[in-house]
Amino acid sequence: DVKVTQSSRYLVKRTGEKVFLECVQDMDHENMFWYRQDPGLGLRLIYFSYDVKMKEKGDIPEGYSVSREKKERFSLILESASTNQTSMYLCASKTAALMSNQPQHFGDGTRLSIL
Amino acid sequence: DAKTTQPNSMESNEEEPVHLPCNHSTISGTDYIHWYRQLPSQGPEYVIHGLTSNVNNRMASLAIAEDRKSSTLILHRATLRDAAVYYCILTGRGDYKLSFGAGTTVTVRA
Repeated sequence: DVKVTQSSRYLVKRTGEKVFLECVQDMDHENMFWYRQDPGLGLRLIYFSYDVKMKEKGDIPEGYSVSREKKERFSLILESASTNQTSMYLCASKTAALMSNQPQHFGDGTRLSIL
Repeated sequence: DAKTTQPNSMESNEEEPVHLPCNHSTISGTDYIHWYRQLPSQGPEYVIHGLTSNVNNRMASLAIAEDRKSSTLILHRATLRDAAVYYCILTGRGDYKLSFGAGTTVTVRA
């Protein structure tokens, strides 16, 4: 089975801090994604990557950056955390071509609170 | 975007089958039907997907209507662990991001 591991289940940070969320997948998948999920707004794509060192903006990239130095690891960085970034953050991975119909496999999520 | 319609909620008894309907009347010929579920306080979990033929895996079965305008996810014997929100979505050519609607909240009674 595919395993996507997010470094923290729950995280509390303060406004202005730089926050790192880590994600590791063990299935050699080419594609990795970061979403946030908020009540009433559903799932929204922040950034994605289709190869090592490649990254593309999703729908809501403002205030975030990402890093993919190794194939199995995709990091999300909140440059200067703000209260409106309090959310559930979900990492996903997917094999094959980015546009293929293979499913995405998710981690358990990180519930991030910014105080 | 191709849309799906699902009931808001369904209830089932433990060890009984659950049939979750999904309508997608505007589906195009190249759209795949995917099902995910999300247990409370967890990330979404892939369940099953298909194009035209019925599909079975260890988690569930997917029955696709002949005209492909609807489909049904079948959980053969519901357990308490199957209580979750179930999302039916379509993915077509060029789709790389997922977007969930409200889904169907499944409650399983012991």
